[in-house]
Amino acid sequence: AQSVSQHNHHVILSEAASLELGCNYSYGGTVNLFWYVQYPGQHLQLLLKYFSGDPLVKGIKGFEAEFIKSKFSFNLRKPSVQWSDTAEYFCAVVIGGYQKVTFGTGTKLQVIP
Amino acid sequence: DGGITQSPKYLFRKEGQNVTLSCEQNLNHDAMYWYRQDPGQGLRLIYYSQIVNDFQKGDIAEGYSVSREKKESFPLTVTSAQKNPTAFYLCASSPQGGASPDTQYFGPGTRLTVL
Repeated sequence: AQSVSQHNHHVILSEAASLELGCNYSYGGTVNLFWYVQYPGQHLQLLLKYFSGDPLVKGIKGFEAEFIKSKFSFNLRKPSVQWSDTAEYFCAVVIGGYQKVTFGTGTKLQVIP
Repeated sequence: DGGITQSPKYLFRKEGQNVTLSCEQNLNHDAMYWYRQDPGQGLRLIYYSQIVNDFQKGDIAEGYSVSREKKESFPLTVTSAQKNPTAFYLCASSPQGGASPDTQYFGPGTRLTVL
C-alpha cells in the first residue's frame, strides 16, 4: 500500500526565513502529487499539484514544490515566509489510475513575527 | 456561491448511538470523499464514491456507513460499532470520478464528540 511521510511535524520559523517541508512517498510508479494547506479556522485548500511535465511546480502565495522521482520526494518550499503562512500543511499522493488519495500526517508551521 | 457544506459543525453523541453527518455539494462533482482527521495522524480515508449509487471503502471504514443516492449528497453514519468515534470529520469532492482524482474541495468539517 502506498504511504506518505512528512517527517517535520512542527516547524517554527521567523518571518523572512526560508521554508522547506519534506514529503516522501512509497510508490515507484506514476503518481499525482498535491500539497494542501489548512489555515486556522479555514477549509483545507489546494496549494499546488503535480501531474506531469515540469517537475518544479508553482502554487499560490509564492509556494513551489519540486518532484524528484529518484528520491520519491515532493518537497514544498517558500523563499521567505510570512506570519500569514502559519497553518498546517499536508502532502497527498494518488497512484495513477486509482481513486484513493493518501495524505501525510501533516506539518504544523508557526511563523513568528 | 458554489461549495461544500457540512452540518452540523459540532455534534455530541452518547455512546451506543448512531449519528449521521451531512455533506452536500453544488459543484457538480462526480466524486465525493469522507476523511477523519486526528491530531498527528493527518487525514485518513473512510469512504469514497465515484458516482451515484456506488461507493468504496477507504482505509478505516469499520464502524462507518455511507450512501450516495444523489450526486449532491454523501452522508456518513457513524455507528455504535465505531470504537473511537470522537474526531474531526471532513467531506471533500473532486471533479473526476472516472480517473484519478484531481483537486479535492473540502467542506468546513464536523467535530464529533462522544460523551
